[in-house]
Amino acid sequence: QVQLVESGGGVVQPGGSLRLSCAASGFTFRSYGLHWVRQAPGKRLEWVAVVWYDGSKKYYADSVKGRFTISRDNSKNTLYLQMNSLRVEDTAVYYCARDTSYFDSSGRFYVTELFDYWGQGTLVTVSS
Amino acid sequence: EIVLTQSPGTLSLSPGERATLSCRASQSFSNNYLAWYQQKPGQAPRLFIYGASSRAAGIPDRFSGSGSETDFTLTISRLEPEDFAVYYCQQYGSSPLFTFGPGTRVDIK
Repeated sequence: QVQLVESGGGVVQPGGSLRLSCAASGFTFRSYGLHWVRQAPGKRLEWVAVVWYDGSKKYYADSVKGRFTISRDNSKNTLYLQMNSLRVEDTAVYYCARDTSYFDSSGRFYVTELFDYWGQGTLVTVSS
Repeated sequence: EIVLTQSPGTLSLSPGERATLSCRASQSFSNNYLAWYQQKPGQAPRLFIYGASSRAAGIPDRFSGSGSETDFTLTISRLEPEDFAVYYCQQYGSSPLFTFGPGTRVDIK
C-alpha cells in the first residue's frame, strides 16, 4: 500500500534552517508529482511547494519563495524540503502529499493539484 | 487567487442526522475542480470527494458532493460516529496556485 513518512521536524530558532524528508513506498515514485502542504496550529491547510516527477519543474507559494527548496531523489524514493531563513510564522505540521498526476498518450506530464495520499506530518516549531 | 469560504464554521449534530456543508468560491473555476477532504485530530487529511461529486476510493455512499461554478455542497446523509471531523474544500486546476477553505467542524451534539 502507498505510504508516505515524513521526518526531520523539530524546534529551530528564527533565521535557522531545517531539512524535511518524506520516504515513499508502495507506488512508482518516479511517476508522480509530489507536494508539501503545511498546517499551522488551528489553521487551514496551506500549499507550500510542488515538484514534477523528474524534478524538472518546481513551484512555490509566495510565502516561502526564495527561502524553501523542494527536491527529490528518485533513486531513494524520497522527497525533501530544505527550509532556510525560517520565521515564526513557518511553525506548522508539514505534510508530503502525492498528486494524482498522470502522463497523457503523448507522454506529456500533468499535475492535477489533487492529493490522494498524505503522510502523517512532521512538526516544525520556529521559536526563540 | 480564488478564495474559498466554508459555512458553517461548526455544525453540531447527532449520529443519524443529515449534515450539509457549504463551500463558496470568490470566482468560478474550471471543470468543477473542487475536492473535499476529511481530517481527524492528529491525522493527515483524507481525500473524500473530487470533481465536485466523485467519491474517492473507499468512501461510503452516504457522502455526496454537488454544486458548480462558485457554490458547492458536501452532504452526509446519515452521520456515523466516525464522520465527526473537520472537512476542508479545495479548488484545484489553477496551477500553480490553489487554495483550501477554512474548514467546517462537524461535532457530536
